[in-house]
Amino acid sequence: NSKVIQTPRYLVKGQGQKAKMRCIPEKGHPVVFWYQQNKNNEFKFLINFQNQEVLQQIDMTEKRFSAECPSNSPCSLEIQSSEAGDSALYLCASSPGTGANTEVFFGKGTRLTVV
Amino acid sequence: GEKVEQHQSTLSVREGDSAVINCTYTDTASSYFPWYKQEAGKSLHFVIDIRSNVDRKQSQRLTVLLDKKAKRFSLHITATQPEDSAIYFCAAGYQGGRALIFGTGTTVSVSP
Repeated sequence: NSKVIQTPRYLVKGQGQKAKMRCIPEKGHPVVFWYQQNKNNEFKFLINFQNQEVLQQIDMTEKRFSAECPSNSPCSLEIQSSEAGDSALYLCASSPGTGANTEVFFGKGTRLTVV
Repeated sequence: GEKVEQHQSTLSVREGDSAVINCTYTDTASSYFPWYKQEAGKSLHFVIDIRSNVDRKQSQRLTVLLDKKAKRFSLHITATQPEDSAIYFCAAGYQGGRALIFGTGTTVSVSP
């Protein structure tokens, strides 16, 4: 069973509000991913980190999101100004990272509704 | 960039029969192919994976086949049970912490 912990499970925000969600990766996993899953089950990769450093991110994340993975603190993903189209399930995942064992384990997600 | 296509959106089988879900990918550099299961209202649960150095991997009732030439991989579930009912997602990626690219999911329904 995955030990990736995401909070909150549900988040409701008005348009234009900030929306912040947190993730504690599995212990010993230096790589953290954030994905967005929409109502059509389509996944969009948002950003990933190795330790505190950003490995990859998409344009949307760079422009509208703020994300970090500080040492000894939960990782976080924050939408600076929520839009209706941001309503989705936000999934955090962690991985042992490089090498042969690269399984990726997902948390239960934060379901964001923008009203 | 990589694109992963999952060709069946739904799959209905009778309990005890086999289910096969097929996926294709575009990037020949992809080397890691995991499968995830998602039950209603729940997160993704890792099911099985295969790496590009092998063409077959089995774990109990699950078998994954990889055809690198055709850029195709598939999940085979034998002796299906009602608890196998869920959405199954295939994904492709590189080893080493790079992002996975997901298919759009196949809803498997196992009826008694």
